Amino acid sequence: KQEVTQIPAALSVPEGENLVLNCSFTDSAIYNLQWFRQDPGKGLTSLLLIQSSQREQTSGRLNASLDKSSGRSTLYIAASQPGDSATYLCAVQLQSSASKIIFGSGTRLSIRP
Amino acid sequence: GAVVSQHPSRVICKSGTSVKIECRSLDFQATTMFWYRQFPKQSLMLMATSNEGSKATYEQGVEKDKFLINHASLTLSTLTVTSAHPEDSSFYICSARPPGQGGFGYTFGSGTRLTVV
Repeated sequence: KQEVTQIPAALSVPEGENLVLNCSFTDSAIYNLQWFRQDPGKGLTSLLLIQSSQREQTSGRLNASLDKSSGRSTLYIAASQPGDSATYLCAVQLQSSASKIIFGSGTRLSIRP
Repeated sequence: GAVVSQHPSRVICKSGTSVKIECRSLDFQATTMFWYRQFPKQSLMLMATSNEGSKATYEQGVEKDKFLINHASLTLSTLTVTSAHPEDSSFYICSARPPGQGGFGYTFGSGTRLTVV
């Protein structure tokens, strides 16, 4: 059974710092992995998608890496801003079922001005 | 880009009543939509897969008679929480994948906050 874990559960850093959020999954047979952002009481915003054959994706100040063999992904945020404060979720799409997505429990990020 | 609209965004209902939540794909047709539930400080859990023109597929532990799903058209799926109880209070969110999207390509609605009093 695929399990997705995110560490830390919460993180608070001062503005301007670079930071790394971690995601691990137990079954390496994934179709792909995606990072989302969720603001309080709101839906999900897709940030980055990494296909299983890829090792990283970049968008602006965000960089996501994927190491399938070790079951890990990281989301790197450069030069953090207060507007980056949100919950970040990683999710894996199962290889065995193209429609099923398993979410991690998220990391609540707070950027202090 | 592809947009999924979810309505209502918030609803408060009395215990024992039923509540309907709508999920619409605005600029694409979706033969499959997905319904998730998220309890406070927890992650999203898939409840069911909604299939246009056929029965929904429910995840283990989800009561299909309590959470009625109807996918009557290619752009609309509805989730009805029947005989709602306080423990059904949660954040419900739907998603769909526009055709031709490689990999994920899933688009999520903005969610519905259900409070049962």
